[in-house]
Amino acid sequence: QPVLTQSSSASASLGSSVKLTCTLSSGHSSYIIAWHQQQPGKAPRYLMRLEAGGTYNKGSGVPDRFSGSSSGADHYLTNSNLQSEDEADYFCETWDRSARLFGGGTKLTVL
Amino acid sequence: EVQLVESGGGLVKPGGSLRLSCAASGFTFSTSNMNWVRQAPGKGLEWVSSMSGSGTSIFYADSLKGRFTISRDNAENSLYLQMHSLRAEDTAVYYCARDVHPLIDIWGQGTMVTVSS
Repeated sequence: QPVLTQSSSASASLGSSVKLTCTLSSGHSSYIIAWHQQQPGKAPRYLMRLEAGGTYNKGSGVPDRFSGSSSGADHYLTNSNLQSEDEADYFCETWDRSARLFGGGTKLTVL
Repeated sequence: EVQLVESGGGLVKPGGSLRLSCAASGFTFSTSNMNWVRQAPGKGLEWVSSMSGSGTSIFYADSLKGRFTISRDNAENSLYLQMHSLRAEDTAVYYCARDVHPLIDIWGQGTMVTVSS
């Protein structure tokens, strides 16, 4: 089964750009993944699905400042204009035949 | 409006049972794959179980097989999770979620399950 690896934390200044990474384990770099956002005390929210070629499809209402890209085993979530409400945990997700898997999540702090 | 609303959480003693429900609205439930995902306090997301729209395909996390049972009633637009032999480590918020194969695109607001004596 694939393993999804995320940095435990990240920080960036209000109005700046930040790129979060989800790395798929060896042999699984072509898997499609999803990014989810979880604001403090709230349920997760689907942001987008991201294919190995870098094509992404965002969920309804997801702001334009969020985009996705990929390079090999690394799948990225980029926020081009950080807002205070973007301070949250971000999880990546994939599916492998008979199991759903999540990365450990990245806690993003907006400075 | 697309919505998933969980219910049935609460405080239960170790070894006890609990049944969670998820009411779906705003989309065609009977053709939608559905999931349960849980999150222990301060921890990440852990997949519990998935079921296809027809109910013919069912998957469980290996660590939970035999104690948890997923089911659905398409006539009632409802998903269920029956949990038995509950342990302290099952304490978590349980989320209902839809997936558009293979990835989740809708989450419910969650229901808290606390296993404690």
